[in-house]
Formats: sequence, C-alpha cells, structure tokens
Amino acid sequence: DGGITQSPKYLFRKEGQNVTLSCEQNLNHDAMYWYRQDPGQGLRLIYYSQIVNDFQKGDIAEGYSVSREKKESFPLTVTSAQKNPTAFYLCATGQATDTQYFGPGTRLTVL
Amino acid sequence: RKEVEQDPGPFNVPEGATVAFNCTYSNSASQSFFWYRQDCRKEPKLLMSVYSSGNEDGRFTAQLNRASQYISLLIRDSKLSDSATYLCVVNPLTGRRALTFGSGTRLQVQP
Repeated sequence: DGGITQSPKYLFRKEGQNVTLSCEQNLNHDAMYWYRQDPGQGLRLIYYSQIVNDFQKGDIAEGYSVSREKKESFPLTVTSAQKNPTAFYLCATGQATDTQYFGPGTRLTVL
Repeated sequence: RKEVEQDPGPFNVPEGATVAFNCTYSNSASQSFFWYRQDCRKEPKLLMSVYSSGNEDGRFTAQLNRASQYISLLIRDSKLSDSATYLCVVNPLTGRRALTFGSGTRLQVQP
C-alpha cells in the first residue's frame, strides 16, 4: 500500500469542469485499476489496464477517461460528461495472483 | 441478483465475542476469493485470501463452500480495533482480470 500514491487527497470541482486524478505506483505491478465508491455502497470498476498503452472500460466508464503511457502511472480524468461525479475514487494495482492493493484515495466533490 | 452479496449489518458485538460473516457469489466459475477490511473513509486493505481448504490467520478464519457458493469470515475474541467494514471480494473470471466487490458488512465492537 505504501507504494501507491494518489493525489490530491481532496478535490473540488465546479460544474462543467474536467479534473484529473493522479495515481502512481512503485510496486512494479503490471495491472492498475480505478474504482469509485459512493457512501454505503461497494466499489465499482471504472477502467483498468493490464499493460502499458492498453486499457479497458469497466462497468461505469461513461464520463471518464484514462491513459497508461508509463507502467508507474494511470491518471483518471473526470469529464464534464460525468453527471454525478461526487464520490471516493480509489486506484489499485495488482499482479497475476489477482490480489489488489489500494492507494489512499481521492475524495471528489462537485460544488 | 448482485454478483457478490453481503449482509450490510451493522453487527454490534461486545469485546471478546465471536462473530461470523457470510457472503454469497453468483458466478460458479469464480476461482479467487478474498476478504478486505475498510476503515471509515480509508482505502480497503487485504485481510486474507480464501482457499478451498480454509485458512486461518490468528483470530481470523476464512472458509469457502463452492457447492453453495458462499464464503465466510469468522473473527474470534473481537477487539475494539476490529471495528470496520469487511468486504467480500471475488474474481469472477469473466475474461477480465478485475475483482468484484461486495458492498461490505459493518462490524462495531463495543467495550
């Protein structure tokens, strides 16, 4: 867990604004994931990437975009098309064993 | 039907009690199973993997019943520090290497 960093910890967005959440890892894991968690609910998969320069949509990809130009980095952009972006965003990494390790998360609030 | 279902609780138990959580999953082809712990407003952390033969880690015991498609977590001698939400996690092997999370069961251990 110590090898995954997310920034910022708190983020406030105005209506119509795009924002980018950072996720960096030094665990040398191939796979990286973005989840969203709403109060009292489970984690929902937004996007995931198994290898550099490749990524796949998860269950709720609409209104989000990602890139994976480096193994260490998997930034998530929340676009203005995402109608209800206020949530807790969690980045995770993993290897072949399927176990995933999470970063500390970013809390996004729309003003 | 949800892919992974858990009783949301809360389970309120006194210190020293034994408490058990169950979780059911819908995809019979699932191969990997985990319990994660999530403290309030924090990221999930891996508690233990669940193996077919069952496994124990100190006060925690996890069991898998493939025939009935459920997973259990037993906590003995509960401590105040065990208060958290426990997430049941399954790899459904749907062709993507991404985990499916239950919504969690909240445990509150009282003095």
